[in-house]
Amino acid sequence: AQTVTQSQPEMSVQEAETVTLSCTYDTSESDYYLFWYKQPPSRQMILVIRQEAYKQQNATENRFSVNFQKAAKSFSLKISDSQLGDAAMYFCAYRRFQGAQKLVFGQGTRLTINP
Amino acid sequence: GAGVSQTPSNKVTEKGKYVELRCDPISGHTALYWYRQSLGQGPEFLIYFQGTGAADDSGLPNDRFFAVRPEGSVSTLKIQRTERGDSAVYLCASSLRSGLVDEQFFGPGTRLTVL
Repeated sequence: AQTVTQSQPEMSVQEAETVTLSCTYDTSESDYYLFWYKQPPSRQMILVIRQEAYKQQNATENRFSVNFQKAAKSFSLKISDSQLGDAAMYFCAYRRFQGAQKLVFGQGTRLTINP
Repeated sequence: GAGVSQTPSNKVTEKGKYVELRCDPISGHTALYWYRQSLGQGPEFLIYFQGTGAADDSGLPNDRFFAVRPEGSVSTLKIQRTERGDSAVYLCASSLRSGLVDEQFFGPGTRLTVL
């Protein structure tokens, strides 16, 4: 079974600074997908960024980028120019390439933005 | 509707009672997922529907939990003989179709409290 681990329960950053959230995972498969989701107090999960394991290039979405290290099974999220609206819980998630469609989530990291 | 909706937003019940949680997916989305999120944890997969049928129910914790999607749209998660350990936020998500990396859109969840 696949597992996802987020070792940082809480992180904080000054507004406009850069912060990196860590995620590691365990799988025996070679093809899969990785995601970062944001969950604000409204509880609604929002997709931030997605990475296909077969792509070597790290995904980027505006101020959000990932550092995907396949051999190390590491998938960190970098948020540049942090904004107050970035404050939320962030979850790393794994999905198999074929077969089961379910997402396997980590425990989450609570990100606080200090003005 | 514009997004995934879930009703009720909050549900308080007594131990041993029966509850139903409803999910209205985005119109046209054939895939529907239920997840359970305990306090301070990431969401955990419960069940996945493709159309009217449950394609994967491996996450249902026991036979007190059951879900249906009779017309391939609205889904109801049913919990019999509720226990205090069932207290959690129940999240529903839908996607356009399975088999591809299409985004799962989440609803705001139902917070279930079992007294």
